[in-house]
This record gives sequence, C-alpha cells and structure tokens, in this order.
Amino acid sequence: AQSVTQLGSHVSVSEGALVLLRCNYSSSVPPYLFWYVQYPNQGLQLLLKYTSAATLVKGINGFEAEFKKSETSFHLTKPSAHMSDAAEYFCAVSDAGGGGFKTIFGAGTRLFVKA
Amino acid sequence: SAVISQKPSRDICQRGTSLTIQCQVDSQVTMMFWYRQQPGQSLTLIATANQGSEATYESGFVIDKFPISRPNLTFSTLTVSNMSPEDSSIYLCSAARQGSGNTIYFGEGSWLTVV
Repeated sequence: AQSVTQLGSHVSVSEGALVLLRCNYSSSVPPYLFWYVQYPNQGLQLLLKYTSAATLVKGINGFEAEFKKSETSFHLTKPSAHMSDAAEYFCAVSDAGGGGFKTIFGAGTRLFVKA
Repeated sequence: SAVISQKPSRDICQRGTSLTIQCQVDSQVTMMFWYRQQPGQSLTLIATANQGSEATYESGFVIDKFPISRPNLTFSTLTVSNMSPEDSSIYLCSAARQGSGNTIYFGEGSWLTVV
C-alpha cells in the first residue's frame, strides 16, 4: 500500500527566503510522485512530477523537487519565495505498477509568505 | 494535458436531498476519478469511474450514497445522495490518460454546502 507523509502542516517563510516543503512516501513498487498546489478557492494544479527519469525534477513557478530513494523522500524547494507562492501544497504518490493511476495524497502543507 | 469542467461549481443544498455533479473532459481519457476534500483537509479518493461498468469504490464509500456514472470516455457524474451537513465538501473530478506518466488532472471542484 502507498502512503504519503508531509512534515509540517504549516510552513512560514519570508519573501525571498528558501522554501522547503517535506514529503516522505511509502510504496511497494517504484512510485510516481507529484506535487500539486491549491490556491485559495481554486482547484488543484500540477507543479511537477517524478516518473523514474531524472531524480531532480523542475516544475512550474521556479519549484523543483529531488527524488531520493534511499530516504524515500521527495521534498519540494524553491530558492526564493514570492508572495504569490502562498497556497496549500500537496504531495502525492501513484503506484506505477499494478495500482494504475490511483493517487494517494498527503495531508497538505500550507505555505505562508511574509513580506 | 486535459481540461476538466465541473458543474455546478458551487451549491447550497438542503439536508436530505441529492445533487448530481457533472464532469466533462475535453478529450478522451483512460481513467476518471472522484475525490472529496473536506474543509481544511486533504483529498480522499471516493471511487474510480469505469466506463460502461460499475464504479470501483474505496473503503468507506458506497454506491448507495455516491452513485457514479461514466457513459463514455469524456463524461462522468457523481451523485451525493441524502445529503447531511457532513457531506459539505469540495468534490473534485480528475482524469488521467494512459501514457501520461500517471499524471492526474483536476477540475476546479464543486463546492457543496449542506444546510
């Protein structure tokens, strides 16, 4: 069975500071991993995904994530936070094998950006 | 990618009534799913909508409460039956196409409030 753990339900950073959102996963087969963002009163938008190619994945809006198999982690980073990055971020795992497209989401991390 | 449209986007419903949410995708997709996002929480998979056959429900969700249809490769409906205030949530339709690296695309969601 797959699972996702996001460490920290709330993260607060200053504008211009590094953003680090943590995600650890559990999967019995090589996983596909995703980060989604949800802005207030909106649906989900895909930020980036890992599908067994390069371990460092670059996404939209300057975000990137690194897949570390040894640590079962897929942390999301951005070098310099912008006010517009304030949102809820969800890490998700999908079973690339028999599970098909079923995707399990973490609890989410709300990012606050201070001026 | 896929563009997903949901209707209604918002509704206020009376306790005991039922509401059907429609999901239209702009192109043929392999899989369609329905998720629920309760206030302040993450996404929980309700069921996989199977074309031409009964949906596959996750633990804790039953067909009598959440009947789902998928008559073709681009359309699905979710009905929330006999609603109670606990059903107040965002209901999200999602879709995936084989070969897309297990990426799931989401609609903007249907925000239901039960009074």
